[in-house]
Amino acid sequence: QKEVEQNSGPLSVPEGAIASLNCTYSDRVSQSFFWYRQYSGKSPELIMSIYSNGDKEDGRFTAQLNKASQYVSLLIRDSQPSDSATYLCAVNRGAGNQFYFGTGTSLTVIP
Amino acid sequence: KAGVTQTPRYLIKTRGQQVTLSCSPISGHRSVSWYQQTPGQGLQFLFEYFSETQRNKGNFPGRFSGRQFSNSRSEMNVSTLELGDSALYLCASIWGGLQFFGPGTRLTVL
Repeated sequence: QKEVEQNSGPLSVPEGAIASLNCTYSDRVSQSFFWYRQYSGKSPELIMSIYSNGDKEDGRFTAQLNKASQYVSLLIRDSQPSDSATYLCAVNRGAGNQFYFGTGTSLTVIP
Repeated sequence: KAGVTQTPRYLIKTRGQQVTLSCSPISGHRSVSWYQQTPGQGLQFLFEYFSETQRNKGNFPGRFSGRQFSNSRSEMNVSTLELGDSALYLCASIWGGLQFFGPGTRLTVL
């Protein structure tokens, strides 16, 4: 079983819609959770971090964490074509700075 | 602050050769991680350094090695290159549990 799993997509949503990206992780001791955005040919860019159960909002982005279900999600409201990218979920189990990444979900926002 | 820098940005090598990649973290950051990214495997953790010490290591063969200098700059080395080593190699500068990636080095092995 992989440490972090994501649906590879592709996920397509119309402009202005809500995009919902999901991630599950296998190790219950995981403590920190992150979402990165990666445009084609570029390196990953950190967009959200979440550490406690519940929701965390930052602009159009909301991260949701449910440790009991070992589930992390990212909602993108009012999706824009510029949001078209691959979104990577990452988990830190807390043993130093060793992060595990999912393989990413490709999102396309259709104008 | 300047971001993470990686050199070179692109590299072409042939099988059997070795390669050294360099990473300079964000000023003040003392922890650096290295990742290999390929289309099939995604981002895979290579190793992490903090204050010149390797703290964590991923599941890569011994051909992959690294080090960190007193100024926090880090290098990774791959010896006896194989075709499968073709990938984007990413360095991340770490502060407060947050990782910030450099632009990467695209390595092609022919």
